[in-house]
Amino acid sequence: GAVVSQHPSWVICKSGTSVKIECRSLDFQATTMFWYRQFPKQSLMLMATSNEGSKATYEQGVEKDKFLINHASLTLSTLTVTSAHPEDSSFYICSAEGVDSYEQYFGPGTRLTVT
Amino acid sequence: TQLLEQSPQFLSIQEGENLTVYCNSSSVFSSLQWYRQEPGEGPVLLVTVVTGGEVKKLKRLTFQFGDARKDSSLHITAAQPGDTGLYLCAGTNSGGSNYKLTFGKGTLLTVNP
Repeated sequence: GAVVSQHPSWVICKSGTSVKIECRSLDFQATTMFWYRQFPKQSLMLMATSNEGSKATYEQGVEKDKFLINHASLTLSTLTVTSAHPEDSSFYICSAEGVDSYEQYFGPGTRLTVT
Repeated sequence: TQLLEQSPQFLSIQEGENLTVYCNSSSVFSSLQWYRQEPGEGPVLLVTVVTGGEVKKLKRLTFQFGDARKDSSLHITAAQPGDTGLYLCAGTNSGGSNYKLTFGKGTLLTVNP
């Protein structure tokens, strides 16, 4: 149980284009999902908290107009990187809050490379 | 801002050796999680500790939560190459209605055969 998937697992896009990443909870409902980014050999940095049916809450320094989050159902949250630039290249990971709210289950991540 | 300091940052040992990884903070956490992450994959939850002084065992892994809930340790007995990975501790910050995780920088463990 508590499986989270992400799609795509990796994507290469050109500078200036937009990329959408999906995060799904496969066998449970997740009112809350979280989006992180991770640079090589570094830890996870929380970008935003996504609540089903409401606007996402962004961490300080994260541009909400650049990283669009939509959490339209209890099993799906999407992150759209708009007008991507090479500095947006990173490993993006989502997580879903479990039944015990203090536990999070992570997806396998999406490797984004912007050329 | 709550910070978690992990040590050591890197650890390379031989198969069969024991090791301990530390996670320290000046802040109190309502709970603390340990994750293991392999390259190109998401973190996998190993354990959650919630009570000060709590000790949990998972096969060869022993996790301890400090009495004051500010620190934790992970001890691995007789390490195996399959234990290789990035070990992350994360504290739960029960702010508002969501439980945010604050991650340490991780300990990169390499177990050589």
